[in-house]
Amino acid sequence: DAGVIQSPRHEVTEMGQEVTLRCKPISGHNSLFWYRQTMMRGLELLIYFNNNVPIDDSGMPEDRFSAKMPNASFSTLKIQPSEPRDSAVYFCASSLVTGKGEKLFFGSGTQLSVL
Amino acid sequence: GNSVTQMEGPVTLSEEAFLTINCTYTATGYPSLFWYVQYPGEGLQLLLKATKADDKGSNKGFEATYRKETTSFHLEKGSVQVSDSAVYFCALNGGVAGGGADGLTFGKGTHLIIQP
Repeated sequence: DAGVIQSPRHEVTEMGQEVTLRCKPISGHNSLFWYRQTMMRGLELLIYFNNNVPIDDSGMPEDRFSAKMPNASFSTLKIQPSEPRDSAVYFCASSLVTGKGEKLFFGSGTQLSVL
Repeated sequence: GNSVTQMEGPVTLSEEAFLTINCTYTATGYPSLFWYVQYPGEGLQLLLKATKADDKGSNKGFEATYRKETTSFHLEKGSVQVSDSAVYFCALNGGVAGGGADGLTFGKGTHLIIQP
């Protein structure tokens, strides 16, 4: 299996532009998570999906952030409009939920820089 | 709510030294506990886990024991190597039933630097 695939690896954009981050989870996994990592705040859970349905989006910082999962093999995280404080590494992770202490598989992340 | 507290870094050690990275947690019920490791430029990888009290997780010479009485899950290794240099995250999952799809709650990470 190729693991969790994220694209792009690096994104540099200007303030006010729309940014779309993409994630392909591991085939057969039923849960998908978006995390944001910064030096100041560490790793924060933004939103997670179970069977393609958003379960908890309380970590999404503002209405500028939105996430979708149209099918079991694809998810997007969109920021519109982007701001410099959105600069961070965004990780997607997936897991197969069995109720026995799930292991998350992380992608390599998208390094976002908003100028 | 759930929370994880781990020691501040960076932690700098010489090769072959003994390592302890402290981790304590707050959760209701019976969470599962994890240590993840992040190498430069990569995503997090599971290092070890424990799903119930007194369980010991181990992998690659690292160990951690789930101590419910002290709500701790300290990471230890007897003899570290330069290749162990990375950021280590303590995390917990669930709490009510020990599992569930509610995502992991992570500590802020401890940067470990091993010098030759």
